[in-house]
Amino acid sequence: KQEVTQIPAALSVPEGENLVLNCSFTDSAIYNLQWFRQDPGKGLTSLLLIQSSQREQTSGRLNASLDKSSGRSTLYIAASQPGDSATYLCAVGAYSGAGSYQLTFGKGTKLSVIP
Amino acid sequence: GAVVSQHPSWVICKSGTSVKIECRSLDFQATTMFWYRQFPKQSLMLMATSNEGSKATYEQGVEKDKFLINHASLTLSTLTVTSAHPEDSSFYICSARIPVSYNEQFFGPGTRLTVL
Repeated sequence: KQEVTQIPAALSVPEGENLVLNCSFTDSAIYNLQWFRQDPGKGLTSLLLIQSSQREQTSGRLNASLDKSSGRSTLYIAASQPGDSATYLCAVGAYSGAGSYQLTFGKGTKLSVIP
Repeated sequence: GAVVSQHPSWVICKSGTSVKIECRSLDFQATTMFWYRQFPKQSLMLMATSNEGSKATYEQGVEKDKFLINHASLTLSTLTVTSAHPEDSSFYICSARIPVSYNEQFFGPGTRLTVL
């Protein structure tokens, strides 16, 4: 059974700092990996999706990397802003033995960017 | 990106009543939708996978007679919590998958259910 772990659980940084969020997964037989942002009481916003054959994806100040063989992904946020404060979720997508596709989520990293 | 809506966004009901939650893909057709629940400070747990025109596939431990899922069209899936009890209080989130976009999932804003 796939397990996804995110470290740290919470992170507080001053505005302008670059930061890295970590995600690890136990089963490397994945189809893709997605990073999401969740604001309190809200749904999820997709940030980046990395296919299993890719090493990284970039969008604006965000860069996500994937090392499938070691079961790790990182989300790099450059020049952090107070508006980046949210919970960041890592989710691993894979097909089950029965052929169905599903995402397995980590518990998230709660980021606070201090002005 | 693709837009998924949910209705209602917030509902309070008495114990024993049934509640229906709608999930709609607004600008694309979704052959597959997913229903998740999220308890406070916990991650999302997949409840079931809903395929248009067929029966939903439920995850282990999820009661299919209690959480009725209907995916009657390519843009609408509904989750009905039957005979709701306080322990069913949670945040329910749906998502829709775009197969041609590497299975990327787009999530609705969620529905906060409180059962008194």
